[in-house]
Amino acid sequence: EAQVTQNPRYLITVTGKKLTVTCSQNMNHEYMSWYRQDPGLGLRQIYYSMNVEVTDKGDVPEGYKVSRKEKRNFPLILESPSPNQTSLYFCASSLSRERGYEQYFGPGTRLTVT
Amino acid sequence: GNSVTQMEGPVTLSEEAFLTINCTYTATGYPSLFWYVQYPGEGLQLLLKATKADDKGSNKGFEATYRKETTSFHLEKGSVQVSDSAVYFCALMGTGGFKTIFGAGTRLFVKA
Repeated sequence: EAQVTQNPRYLITVTGKKLTVTCSQNMNHEYMSWYRQDPGLGLRQIYYSMNVEVTDKGDVPEGYKVSRKEKRNFPLILESPSPNQTSLYFCASSLSRERGYEQYFGPGTRLTVT
Repeated sequence: GNSVTQMEGPVTLSEEAFLTINCTYTATGYPSLFWYVQYPGEGLQLLLKATKADDKGSNKGFEATYRKETTSFHLEKGSVQVSDSAVYFCALMGTGGFKTIFGAGTRLFVKA
């Protein structure tokens, strides 16, 4: 089954404790992206990657890191989480522009930082 | 920079009513435009898309036309069902990259 998977689905942590949210897709997509969803703000792009070892900042990259060492994986790293990073996070992947950049989304990771 | 503005919700309709959710955008060049839907507790799913001016995207009875002259991509459906209750997001992907801007989302409630 074609899908984007994220782990963990739920995470409660404390300020300053490094964490990683994993994202994996099995569709051989070139493009992958991370978003955060907050009430009233919609989805805001954190980072995106156009291929292995190619990443770029979205609109809200501060406090986050990403890496793309393999085509299928795109982990999101919070080196020192803070309460304002409490949010619902989505990973997405996409084929090339020729297919209209339709994005496939993972189920989401709800993160709470206390 | 690019931006997307969509009508605030919630929108509450009776079953079989006509639906319009407005979406306007600001962008340089010719962006691709999308409507995504999010059902409770789930990730987003693509509903429809349009990649050039005057294109009409359609799916599951929903339609939206890419209007360059009014910079709009309004979502319409002629007869909504209870199962259409969800949050709808308008989104824009600019030319030359993968940077995506989403609107704030519009929550739709359909009553039986």
